[in-house]
Amino acid sequence: KAGVTQTPRYLIKTRGQQVTLSCSPISGHRSVSWYQQTPGQGLQFLFEYFSETQRNKGNFPGRFSGRQFSNSRSEMNVSTLELGDSALYLCASSLSRGTGAADTQYFGPGTRLTVL
Amino acid sequence: GENVEQHPSTLSVQEGDSAVIKCTYSDSASNYFPWYKQELGKRPQLIIDIRSNVGEKKDQRIAVTLNKTAKHFSLHITETQPEDSAVYFCAAYSGGSNYKLTFGKGTLLTVNP
Repeated sequence: KAGVTQTPRYLIKTRGQQVTLSCSPISGHRSVSWYQQTPGQGLQFLFEYFSETQRNKGNFPGRFSGRQFSNSRSEMNVSTLELGDSALYLCASSLSRGTGAADTQYFGPGTRLTVL
Repeated sequence: GENVEQHPSTLSVQEGDSAVIKCTYSDSASNYFPWYKQELGKRPQLIIDIRSNVGEKKDQRIAVTLNKTAKHFSLHITETQPEDSAVYFCAAYSGGSNYKLTFGKGTLLTVNP
């Protein structure tokens, strides 16, 4: 099976702009989670989607939003970009079988966002 | 919410030595604990995981132990090799309807030839 893919791989934006990142999960995976990775803070949870519904959200401002489509592909959007938004944005997909047990999360290669 | 502390932040060992990375978690409802390895410029890759109904799990040179009472879990790498050099992240997954993995801040492991 093909792995998790993310587009674009690199982005350079200026403050105040907005950006949309895309994530295609492994075929058959229904859950997509998004993380922000920075050198000082590690991997911080942004949100998780399952069947087009956001099931959980991390402690990020409302400028960060996401959605999931019926084919499980997911997008995240950051509006009014700030310098501090520069980071590697990773998505991860999992089966989410609904048994109550956690399923392994498989990560994409990430999108490197630089805000100037 | 869940909080995961990971130590040490950096670890340097000689090739052939063992390496141990320790994590503690705060939410007693957490029931799944994966470990990821991230090489420079690459995506995190799962290397081993353990569920709360198991105390120890091994996979060749890698082992993970879990102490639910103390709420801590550890990664053990034996006979380290230069290709083990990477950043290692522990994580904890709370059961129920949280659907969230909380990560430690990572350990940079350097294996010196």
